[in-house]
Amino acid sequence: GIQVEQSPPDLILQEGANSTLRCNFSDSVNNLQWFHQNPWGQLINLFYIPSGTKQNGRLSATTVATERYSLLYISSSQTTDSGVYFCAVPMNRDDKIIFGKGTRLHILP
Amino acid sequence: DARVTQTPRHKVTEMGQEVTMRCQPILGHNTVFWYRQTMMQGLELLAYFRNRAPLDDSGMPKDRFSAEMPDATLATLKIQPSEPRDSAVYFCASGQQGRYGYTFGSGTRLTVV
Repeated sequence: GIQVEQSPPDLILQEGANSTLRCNFSDSVNNLQWFHQNPWGQLINLFYIPSGTKQNGRLSATTVATERYSLLYISSSQTTDSGVYFCAVPMNRDDKIIFGKGTRLHILP
Repeated sequence: DARVTQTPRHKVTEMGQEVTMRCQPILGHNTVFWYRQTMMQGLELLAYFRNRAPLDDSGMPKDRFSAEMPDATLATLKIQPSEPRDSAVYFCASGQQGRYGYTFGSGTRLTVV
């Protein structure tokens, strides 16, 4: 089945810094989502981005489907950005979605 | 905002007891997933439904777990009998196939002692 790899596994940054999180996948996909799991455990849908670029405030995401990767950019980090960021892709045509292992982000005040 | 509602939020039970977790998907969504999250395994897909029909439950231990959608507004996940290794956070997610991605509920944190 499709493999999803996220990097880096852990990231510690000072408040105000920018960061780039990467998601590589082993096969072509027709959709991709980025999620943020906050320190309280809630999974928040950030982007549904099968291709192209989207922006929402300080966050933006780019998926290059032909090269099998997606990037999540966080600018001017805030402590509330801390948590784990997951990308998720469908395992097959039935939309059975699987998750990467995530990037754990810790923003220091 | 529309949301996926899961109940209960927390459940502590003794080994051997039956546990039922409930999920109310967002109205109009035709796809429902159940995931389990542990520190060791991350997010594992247990089962999913489309238009209330089970499509895949290969991720679920069949001898003790069962998942159903008695109607379009309710999905259930049952564990009988529960074991300490079932302790985890169980998430439900819903969406419309091929559109806009999936929305997760807040999860049920299960502790089996």
